[in-house]
Amino acid sequence: EAGVTQFPSHSVIEKGQTVTLRCDPISGHDNLYWYRRVMGKEIKFLLHFVKESKQDESGMPNNRFLAERTGGTYSTLKVQPAELEDSGVYFCASSQEVPANTGELFFGEGSRLTVL
Amino acid sequence: SQQGEEDPQALSIQEGENATMNCSYKTSINNLQWYRQNSGRGLVHLILIRSNEREKHSGRLRVTLDTSKKSSSLLITASRAADTASYFCATVDLSGNTPLVFGKGTRLSVIA
Repeated sequence: EAGVTQFPSHSVIEKGQTVTLRCDPISGHDNLYWYRRVMGKEIKFLLHFVKESKQDESGMPNNRFLAERTGGTYSTLKVQPAELEDSGVYFCASSQEVPANTGELFFGEGSRLTVL
Repeated sequence: SQQGEEDPQALSIQEGENATMNCSYKTSINNLQWYRQNSGRGLVHLILIRSNEREKHSGRLRVTLDTSKKSSSLLITASRAADTASYFCATVDLSGNTPLVFGKGTRLSVIA
């Protein structure tokens, strides 16, 4: 069974440019999460999809970030325009159940974003 | 706001020794989970302990939970070089309606 896959693995862009990150969750997982880790800091929650609906987007830093999950399958996270502080590793995770139940999230290997 | 906070930030031990990492959190929880991240890879779930549990084992891993102190510990016994990784605790609050909240992690280095 394929795991969570993320693309690209690394992206280097100039400040002001746009980047779109993609996540393909494990097939059949309704829950999809985006997290971000800025170097040396905690892994911070960004948002949670249940199928195609945004269940919780309380962690999205500002309106330069737009996440979509069309058809409840893969998800994209677009940053437009990118700022220096957006640099970090963006992790996607999926699960069948929410963390309060069986708990386990399955993570992708992350997309490292560097904004110059 | 940050929930779990791991201690120490970094730990270096010899192969065969035991490694203990601690996690403190701030609010009442539904469950607490530990994850491992090898360099450049994704996080891997290790173990989940619920708020009504005090101790759990999985292979060489032992997790304890003290809800009165709002703390947890992860013990890795007989460590191996392959255990070198970052370890994160993550919590779900009591309502169960919030996402997993992670800390900054402990960087463990096991020297062969």
